[in-house]
Amino acid sequence: GAGVSQSPSNKVTEKGKDVELRCDPISGHTALYWYRQSLGQGLEFLIYFQGNSAPDKSGLPSDRFSAERTGGSVSTLTIQRTQQEDSAVYLCASSSPGTSGGYNEQFFGPGTRLTVL
Amino acid sequence: QQQVKQSPQSLIVQKGGISIINCAYENTAFDYFPWYQQFPGKGPALLIAIRPDVSEKKEGRFTISFNKSAKQFSLHIMDSQPGDSATYFCAASIIGTYKYIFGTGTRLKVLA
Repeated sequence: GAGVSQSPSNKVTEKGKDVELRCDPISGHTALYWYRQSLGQGLEFLIYFQGNSAPDKSGLPSDRFSAERTGGSVSTLTIQRTQQEDSAVYLCASSSPGTSGGYNEQFFGPGTRLTVL
Repeated sequence: QQQVKQSPQSLIVQKGGISIINCAYENTAFDYFPWYQQFPGKGPALLIAIRPDVSEKKEGRFTISFNKSAKQFSLHIMDSQPGDSATYFCAASIIGTYKYIFGTGTRLKVLA
């Protein structure tokens, strides 16, 4: 598969538990994004990784949220002590900056639907 | 100033009709305006995009109209089909940068 993959596709957890969401970007894409999509809301930017540069964490809603990217490829978004308001679809996207004339097209994965009971 | 306002929130169109979704922005530094299409259970995918040096871009039944002075752009879907039923997001960015500002999305339903 040449696309962005995410796992799990669905995650149900209890309030207060920690969860880890995984993203496998397109091979060769140096940029990786995490977004949150809540019901009836747009795409809320969470965090951005580009190569070896420091990530842009400006969209993380609280210190319960963190993300890492290992080896410039796979990324894990961790939510600690989950709350009901964390329920949403978490989308990952990757891109190859510098190609396509700088348009930086983002390719999205299918998302992980997180439900916090 | 970083917001992109999108309307309507939802839209119902008869098969064969024209679907129109509008977006407005404030930051005049934006110079790239893509539209993404999202089907249920899938991630968004790039549909069509425009730069502000043109007023219109057409790809098949999909057209972006761009009004630089009004800081508005819109997506027109001609001869709308049930298969077009999806959520559409407009976005704005600055070419060469990485961050997109997305609109809140429009859920389109095309009736057969």
